Amino acid sequence: AQSVTQLGSHVSVSEGALVLLRCNYSSSVPPYLFWYVQYPNQGLQLLLKYTSAATLVKGINGFEAEFKKSETSFHLTKPSAHMSDAAEYFCAVRGEGNNRLAFGKGNQVVVIP
Amino acid sequence: NAGVTQTPKFQVLKTGQSMTLQCAQDMNHEYMSWYRQDPGMGLRLIHYSVGAGITDQGEVPNGYNVSRSTTEDFPLRLLSAAPSQTSVYFCASSSVGRLNTEAFFGQGTRLTVV
Repeated sequence: AQSVTQLGSHVSVSEGALVLLRCNYSSSVPPYLFWYVQYPNQGLQLLLKYTSAATLVKGINGFEAEFKKSETSFHLTKPSAHMSDAAEYFCAVRGEGNNRLAFGKGNQVVVIP
Repeated sequence: NAGVTQTPKFQVLKTGQSMTLQCAQDMNHEYMSWYRQDPGMGLRLIHYSVGAGITDQGEVPNGYNVSRSTTEDFPLRLLSAAPSQTSVYFCASSSVGRLNTEAFFGQGTRLTVV
């Protein structure tokens, strides 16, 4: 079954510094991968998705992710953190041939002024 | 453009009480699902449905029932609430057939069982 692993539940980053959130996947078929963001007391909002059209995917709010098959990774980055980036971020993979999503445990990002 | 609507937003239950969490979507999505979110656990799938009249169990189905009589609605029932069901519940919907389409989420229901 498809799964994703996110390490480091809490991530602190200084304002203006690089944001890097790691996601590794396990899948027996080419995966469909997603990053979602959850702001406090909100639902989940799609940041970006990998659909095999391009390995570097650009999303909203300046985030991007690179799919690396050799490393089974789909890490999320943003060159310069902003205070508004404080949120929880989830990596997810779609099930093989179905719509089920398997989520990682999430990264709580804290931005330090 | 409502998307996925969940009600209520907050609920406090006593142990043993029953209740139904409502979920409705206006995007004509075939696939709907319920997740629970607990600290450090990510989101775990409770039940899902691929269309009206079709439901199936997810990862953590015990203590919950679902039904899908229409495309739009997918209620989640707690038959006898337990403190272990204290959580934030999210409903999501997506289109079947195109696996690169994302799931759309409601705003969540924060449930406390005392």
